[in-house]
Amino acid sequence: NAGVTQTPKFRILKIGQSMTLQCTQDMNHNYMYWYRQDPGMGLKLIYYSVGAGITDKGEVPNGYNVSRSTTEDFPLRLELAAPSQTSVYFCASSYQGTNYNEQFFGPGTRLTVL
Amino acid sequence: TQLLEQSPQFLSIQEGENLTVYCNSSSVFSSLQWYRQEPGEGPVLLVTVVTGGEVKKLKRLTFQFGDARKDSSLHITAAQPGDTGLYLCAGWWRSGAGSYQLTFGKGTKLSVIP
Repeated sequence: NAGVTQTPKFRILKIGQSMTLQCTQDMNHNYMYWYRQDPGMGLKLIYYSVGAGITDKGEVPNGYNVSRSTTEDFPLRLELAAPSQTSVYFCASSYQGTNYNEQFFGPGTRLTVL
Repeated sequence: TQLLEQSPQFLSIQEGENLTVYCNSSSVFSSLQWYRQEPGEGPVLLVTVVTGGEVKKLKRLTFQFGDARKDSSLHITAAQPGDTGLYLCAGWWRSGAGSYQLTFGKGTKLSVIP
């Protein structure tokens, strides 16, 4: 199993451009999450999904959109890139949304907006 | 949103020394997890503690959950260079919508010098 895969690994955007960060998991997990990690700031939840067709906002959703059409895929869309969105983005998945489940993380996408 | 404070933020020690990392909050969490993150990779789960006062051992690593479920500690005995990495504590809590969410601390960057 590949686990959680993310593409691209690196990307540089100009202000105002748009892009989609791809995330796929092959563990048949119901729950999927998008986090951003800024230097010295830990991980902050952007959006999450409890199953295909169901998404909800996390702590920092502004400037982002998500969709979940299949169990496997959970893309994150940036419509109008801003320098404040420069960060490392991690996708994660878990089998359930209980208070003890392990979240499995992808390798991350490092995004720079200039 | 629940907050988790980790200390220290940075720790540089000699091989063979012992160390403790702390994770504190004014909020009660359903459970606490510790993740370890290597450069360029996503976090990987080390342990989950669920019951107040719970202690778990993983080889040279000892994890403790506070009696009131507001704090946790990670103690490493006889640190080795392979322990180098970013250690993140994360707490599960129930949102107003009824779903569980995970809040991360800012992390402790550990360097073990041979």
